Amino acid sequence: QVQLQESGPGPVKPSETLSLTCTVSGGSISSYSWNWIRQPPGKGLEWVGYIYNSGSTNYNPSLKSRVTVSLDTSKNQFSLKLSSVTAADTAVYYCARMTYDSGYYYFDYWGQGTLVTVSS
Amino acid sequence: EIVLTQSPGTLSLSPGERATLSCRASQSVSSSYLAWYQQKPGQAPRLLIYGASSRATGIPDRFSGSGSGTDFTLTISRLEPEDFAVYSCQQYGSSPITFGQGTRLEIK
Repeated sequence: QVQLQESGPGPVKPSETLSLTCTVSGGSISSYSWNWIRQPPGKGLEWVGYIYNSGSTNYNPSLKSRVTVSLDTSKNQFSLKLSSVTAADTAVYYCARMTYDSGYYYFDYWGQGTLVTVSS
Repeated sequence: EIVLTQSPGTLSLSPGERATLSCRASQSVSSSYLAWYQQKPGQAPRLLIYGASSRATGIPDRFSGSGSGTDFTLTISRLEPEDFAVYSCQQYGSSPITFGQGTRLEIK
C-alpha cells in the first residue's frame, strides 16, 4: 500500500521560504508524477506543481516564479520550496501521486496534509 | 486556465435520498481527464471517479459519474450517513490542473 507523508519545519515568517518534504513508502518514486496541492482554510484545492520521475516539472502559473519542486529518488522523497511567502500562502499542503493509466490522469494517493501558517 | 464551477455550493439532503452534483467547465474537457474527489473534515481528498465515469477501486456503486464536454455530474443514488462531505471535481485536460470550489453535502 502506497503511503505519502509530508514533513516540514512548521510556521514560516513573511518573506521567507516555505520548505516541505514528502516521503513515499510502499512503492517506488521512479514512476508517476509527484504533486503538491494546497488548500487555504475553508477554501478549495489549488494545484501547486509536479515533478515527473524524469525530473521534468510543471508549475501553476500563478505561483511559478516562487515555486521549485525537486526529487530525491535515493530517499524516495520529493520536496517543495515556495519563496517570498505571505499570509495568502497559509494553507494545508498535500503531497499527492498522479497516475496515468490507459489514457486517464487522476490523483490516487494523498498525504494526510500539513498546515503551514505564515505569520510574523 | 480552465475554470470549474460546481453547483450547488451546499446541498441539504436526508439519508436515503438521491444527490446530484454538477461541475461545469469554462471550456471543453476531455472526459478522460475529469475526476471527482470526496473530502471529509481534517482528511485528505479521496478519489471517487476518474475518466468522468469510472469508479476508483473500493468505491461503492451508489456513486456514479457522467457527462462530457463542459458539463459533468456526480450522482449518489442513495445517501448513506458517511457520504455527507465536500465533493470536488478536477480536470487535467490542459495545464494548469484545476479544481472546482467544491459542493458541501450536508444532512438535512
